[in-house]
Amino acid sequence: KAGVTQTPRYLIKTRGQQVTLSCSPISGHRSVSWYQQTPGQGLQFLFEYFSETQRNKGNFPGRFSGRQFSNSRSEMNVSTLELGDSALYLCASSWDRGLNTEAFFGQGTRLTVV
Amino acid sequence: AQTVTQSQPEMSVQEAETVTLSCTYDTSENNYYLFWYKQPPSRQMILVIRQEAYKQQNATENRFSVNFQKAAKSFSLKISDSQLGDTAMYFCAFMKHWAYSSNTGKLIFGQGTTLQVKP
Repeated sequence: KAGVTQTPRYLIKTRGQQVTLSCSPISGHRSVSWYQQTPGQGLQFLFEYFSETQRNKGNFPGRFSGRQFSNSRSEMNVSTLELGDSALYLCASSWDRGLNTEAFFGQGTRLTVV
Repeated sequence: AQTVTQSQPEMSVQEAETVTLSCTYDTSENNYYLFWYKQPPSRQMILVIRQEAYKQQNATENRFSVNFQKAAKSFSLKISDSQLGDTAMYFCAFMKHWAYSSNTGKLIFGQGTTLQVKP
């Protein structure tokens, strides 16, 4: 069974640009969550999608957005990039919140903003 | 709001020995899940062990076991017979129980403990 796939693995962007990151969950998983990992702030929850609906959102500015498609694949978008957005972005998928709360993580996308 | 605290930024242990990583958390919830995740240099976050708060029995997975003290809000991880492959950053995490909260799918992580296993 394939794991959670995040693309691209690495990105370098310039301040002011926008970026889109992609996450393909494990087959059959309907929940996708996104996390930002930085040395200073640690791991912080961005948002969670389930069946194309955002169920939960962390405390990030509106520049951070996401969506989920009918095949459960998810994308997150960051507009007007700032230097502080440089981070490892992790995606996690799970079957459903009820029967299985185990989240499987991808290897992340390392975003560098210059 | 829930918080998770890992007070040991770095630890080291000799191969084959036992090490315990500490984690405390703060919550007003009665039903929740606690997790230990491992993040090796490859960055892949891997679930090590999971504990459901309503279960009094401590979870065990092979060489990994936890000491869950609900009243003290403490959730430590014990690694027995440490192996070189255990070298990684370990994160303690909290999540509200889905049946008691709409705020699900959100893991709250501690700051992590870097564990070095020495040969």
